[in-house]
Amino acid sequence: KAGVTQTPRYLIKTRGQQVTLSCSPISGHRSVSWYQQTPGQGLQFLFEYFSETQRNKGNFPGRFSGRQFSNSRSEMNVSTLELGDSALYLCASSGGQSGSEKLFFGSGTQLSVL
Amino acid sequence: GENVEQHPSTLSVQEGDSAVIKCTYSDSASNYFPWYKQELGKRPQLIIDIRSNVGEKKDQRIAVTLNKTAKHFSLHITETQPEDSAVYFCAGVNQAGTALIFGKGTTLSVSS
Repeated sequence: KAGVTQTPRYLIKTRGQQVTLSCSPISGHRSVSWYQQTPGQGLQFLFEYFSETQRNKGNFPGRFSGRQFSNSRSEMNVSTLELGDSALYLCASSGGQSGSEKLFFGSGTQLSVL
Repeated sequence: GENVEQHPSTLSVQEGDSAVIKCTYSDSASNYFPWYKQELGKRPQLIIDIRSNVGEKKDQRIAVTLNKTAKHFSLHITETQPEDSAVYFCAGVNQAGTALIFGKGTTLSVSS
């Protein structure tokens, strides 16, 4: 069974631009969660999707948004990029009914904002 | 919402020593507490978890203890080895029960 796949692996953008990151969960998994990882701040929760519905959002500004498609693939979008958005963005899928069960993480997308 | 505090942020031990990482949580309704390990350049992976109906769980050299009254739980690694060097994250469940909220992580270094 293929693991969680995230694309692209690396991204370099400039301030003010927008970016879209993609996540394909493990086949059969319906819950997809997104996290931002930065040194010293650990894994900060962005949002969780289940069956195309966003059920929770973390404490991030409205510039961060996402969606989930009927095949459970998910995308997240960051508009009007700021330098502080530079981070590793991880998505994780879960085979249960929520993102609070065992999570399987992707390798992440490393975003650099210049 | 749930808030998870993790200590220490860094921990250095000699090979063979024990290591203990502690976490506290805020939501008394939380009932699931996993630990994830992230090796350098790799993705986080679940290593052990505990539910609120038990006080301790062991898996070979690692164990997790839970004190619901004090709202804290700990990861214990015995006979540490260099391959235990990694960042360890504890987590609790958010109020809605739909997502994991992680602590800020502990960087464990095991020197031989």
